Amino acid sequence: AQKITQTQPGMFVQEKEAVTLDCTYDTSDPSYGLFWYKQPSSGEMIFLIYQGSYDQQNATEGRYSLNFQKARKSANLVISASQLGDSAMYFCAMREGLGGGFKTIFGAGTRLFVKA
Amino acid sequence: DSGVTQTPKHLITATGQRVTLRCSPRSGDLSVYWYQQSLDQGLQFLIQYYNGEERAKGNILERFSAQQFPDLHSELNLSSLELGDSALYFCASTTTPEQGFGEAFFGQGTRLTVV
Repeated sequence: AQKITQTQPGMFVQEKEAVTLDCTYDTSDPSYGLFWYKQPSSGEMIFLIYQGSYDQQNATEGRYSLNFQKARKSANLVISASQLGDSAMYFCAMREGLGGGFKTIFGAGTRLFVKA
Repeated sequence: DSGVTQTPKHLITATGQRVTLRCSPRSGDLSVYWYQQSLDQGLQFLIQYYNGEERAKGNILERFSAQQFPDLHSELNLSSLELGDSALYFCASTTTPEQGFGEAFFGQGTRLTVV
C-alpha cells in the first residue's frame, strides 16, 4: 500500500509567487517524522524541512513551511517567493520506527518548474 | 556540502560482477542509511546501521549486503549484478537513532550503471 502520496507529478509556478506541493501519508504508528527533500538536476538530495508527529507548531525554514494537518494525514510543503533556483524535484518522506531502527519511505516526487 | 562522502561517484560494470560502494558519514553521526533511486522504483530504503550494528532493513535484495565499520564508514556490496540494479545509490547519516526523526544528510550518491 502506498504510504506516501504525492499527487502532483509536475507543477508550474511564476517566479516570486508561492506554491504548495501536496503530500499525504499513511501510518498507524503514533511516532513518526515527515520530511521534504529537494533534488536538483545535479542529483544531490537536499534536506529542506522536518516535522515531528508530536510537534504542535508547523515547521518553517526560511522560505519553506510545512502545513501539517495530522488528522488529515497531510504534510504539504509551501514555498514562498519562488525563485528560478527552486526548479527541481521535490520528495516528501516519512520516517517511522522499524524494529530497533528507522526506515524512510519516499513519495514519487513532484517536479517543480519556476517560470521567469 | 552535506559532509557525507560517497565514493565512487560513477561506476560502470558488467552483469554478474560485484561492486562495493563506500560512504563516510558526517563527523559525529553514528547512523547510516542506504537508499536506491531508480526510474521505475523511485527512492527505496535499503538498510540502516547504527554504530556498527544493523538496525533496520528495507527492500534490500539478498544479493546486496552492507556493513558499518568501527570508524563508522559504511560499505554497500552489490553482487551478481543485473541490468535492473542500475540506479543512483545514496547514503545518508543522522546523529543518533533517538534523533532518527531528525534531518538526515545525504551524500552525493554513486551512479551505478550495469551493462
